Amino acid sequence: AQTVTQSQPEMSVQEAETVTLSCTYDTSENNYYLFWYKQPPSRQMILVIRQEAYKQQNATENRFSVNFQKAAKSFSLKISDSQLGDTAMYFCAFAGGTSYGKLTFGQGTILTVHP
Amino acid sequence: DSGVTQTPKHLITATGQRVTLRCSPRSGDLSVYWYQQSLDQGLQFLIQYYNGEERAKGNILERFSAQQFPDLHSELNLSSLELGDSALYFCASSVDSDSGSPRDTQYFGPGTRLTVL
Repeated sequence: AQTVTQSQPEMSVQEAETVTLSCTYDTSENNYYLFWYKQPPSRQMILVIRQEAYKQQNATENRFSVNFQKAAKSFSLKISDSQLGDTAMYFCAFAGGTSYGKLTFGQGTILTVHP
Repeated sequence: DSGVTQTPKHLITATGQRVTLRCSPRSGDLSVYWYQQSLDQGLQFLIQYYNGEERAKGNILERFSAQQFPDLHSELNLSSLELGDSALYFCASSVDSDSGSPRDTQYFGPGTRLTVL
């Protein structure tokens, strides 16, 4: 079974600065996908970024980028130029192998951006 | 707006009762997933349907059941409700052109907040 671990329950950052959220996972699968979802106070789950394990290049989406280290089973999210609207719970998630499309989530990291 | 709709937004009921949560996937999406988010268990996968058929099962209690109809909307039925069933229930959908491949992104609905008193 796959497991996803987010070791930082809470993080804070000043507006316009950069912050990195950590995520590690455990799997014996070779073909899988990793995701970061954002859950703002509205509780809506919003996809931030996704990474396909067979791609060596790290995914980027505007101010969001990942550092994917397959051998270390690490998948961190970097948020540059943090904005107040980035304040949310961030979940790392895994999908792959025989689990079909189901997502296995980490415990989440609460990120607070201060003005 | 993800394009996934869920009704109702909020549901308050008593222990022992039965409720039905409804989900309409994005247009064209064949797969529907149900997740439960609670304080003690976090976000957990319950069940997946693909084009009307059950595809995968997670930590879903026997008191819970789901189905996907020919028009692809899905319902999650929760019966003999207990206090511990209070949670936010999400539905997500994806294209899943390969009948269950994880490569397609899941888009989440706004959730149904269930409170069992």
